[in-house]
Amino acid sequence: ILNVEQSPQSLHVQEGDSTNFTCSFPSSNFYALHWYRWETAKSPEALFVMTLNGDEKKKGRISATLNTKEGYSYLYIKGSQPEDSATYLCAFDYGGSQGNLIFGKGTKLSVKP
Amino acid sequence: NAGVTQTPKFQVLKTGQSMTLQCAQDMNHNSMYWYRQDPGMGLRLIYYSASEGTTDKGEVPNGYNVSRLNKREFSLRLESAAPSQTSVYFCASREDRGRIYGYTFGSGTRLTVV
Repeated sequence: ILNVEQSPQSLHVQEGDSTNFTCSFPSSNFYALHWYRWETAKSPEALFVMTLNGDEKKKGRISATLNTKEGYSYLYIKGSQPEDSATYLCAFDYGGSQGNLIFGKGTKLSVKP
Repeated sequence: NAGVTQTPKFQVLKTGQSMTLQCAQDMNHNSMYWYRQDPGMGLRLIYYSASEGTTDKGEVPNGYNVSRLNKREFSLRLESAAPSQTSVYFCASREDRGRIYGYTFGSGTRLTVV
């Protein structure tokens, strides 16, 4: 069974703090690693899709890195704002023929003003 | 607006009742998926469809059926609802080319079975 682990489960930070969290995934059969942002009462939205070892992606204050050899990815948020409060999901694409993803349980971020 | 449309947003069923969750996308995606979200668990795949007329079971298919009658629509049916099917259901679709794109999710259906 393919397993995707995210840590921490939840995180509370003050506005302006920088933060990061981890996604661990199987290092074999790697095809891609996805990050999604999921705000309460909304649907998850894709942030990044990363495919190459050493990949770094950036969108505004949010960035992500990928290490496929050791099976982890970090998501960084620089200078957190209250609007960054959300659950951040990572998902592993193992290259299955139908393109389905294996999701982690998410890291819930709360940013206090 | 382009995207994935799911209906209904909320539903309460009695045990044993049946219902169909509807999902439609207007992005010309081939691949469509149904996931369920339960507290303390990651999104789990129920069924998926690579193209019109084809469907395959995911991780938790028991108690569900699906139908992909055309490219746009992928419906999920509960024939005899059980309390264990109380969950939030998400439909998603995906651009296939190179699989470098993420999923586009619908807004979810919160289902309670009493």
